[in-house]
Amino acid sequence: GAGVSQSPSNKVTEKGKDVELRCDPISGHTALYWYRQRLGQGLEFLIYFQGNSAPDKSGLPSDRFSAERTGESVSTLTIQRTQQEDSAVYLCASTRRLAGEPYTDTQYFGPGTRLTVL
Amino acid sequence: KNQVEQSPQSLIILEGKNCTLQCNYTVSPFSNLRWYKQDTGRGPVSLTIMTFSENTKSNGRYTATLDADTKQSSLHITASQLSDSASYICVVSDNNDMRFGAGTRLTVKP
Repeated sequence: GAGVSQSPSNKVTEKGKDVELRCDPISGHTALYWYRQRLGQGLEFLIYFQGNSAPDKSGLPSDRFSAERTGESVSTLTIQRTQQEDSAVYLCASTRRLAGEPYTDTQYFGPGTRLTVL
Repeated sequence: KNQVEQSPQSLIILEGKNCTLQCNYTVSPFSNLRWYKQDTGRGPVSLTIMTFSENTKSNGRYTATLDADTKQSSLHITASQLSDSASYICVVSDNNDMRFGAGTRLTVKP
């Protein structure tokens, strides 16, 4: 079956503009994660959705960042008033993890969206 | 201080040689440890996952070890191939969160 998909694959925007990134998780996966990866650096957790529970937003770096997910389907990550330091690859991952269970299921990552803020 | 430390930061080896990547962690309580491979421009792909009771796990030419007492893991790559060139990320979970290492960048040269 299809894996996690993300769009667009590349996005170039001007400083101050808003951008919206999309993630389509694997069908049936209840948990969805967004990560940021700056050039040459490790993965940075942003936000975690679990079913219909309130999302864990503890990784969002500022109030310019927000994300939504409708049920157990598509998620969008929105960055308002983009800054040059927002330039990074934004990765989405999904897993079958059930609420309250530890991280035993493997996360399946999408190919990422490369965001460049000029 | 990061709870997951990987070494070396980068490594260059010749095709056909073996190598070992290290991961030390302080995450507690420990739930499981994963190694991911991330090709340039791609999302990470899981190689192995180990829980507390497992001390070794293999996936083809990749063998991961875990010493839960010393909180160390290693990823050994045997008979390296050019396609092994990638970043290798160690991820350690407690019961609630995942902690990512910064990764080791491996380059395999012909």
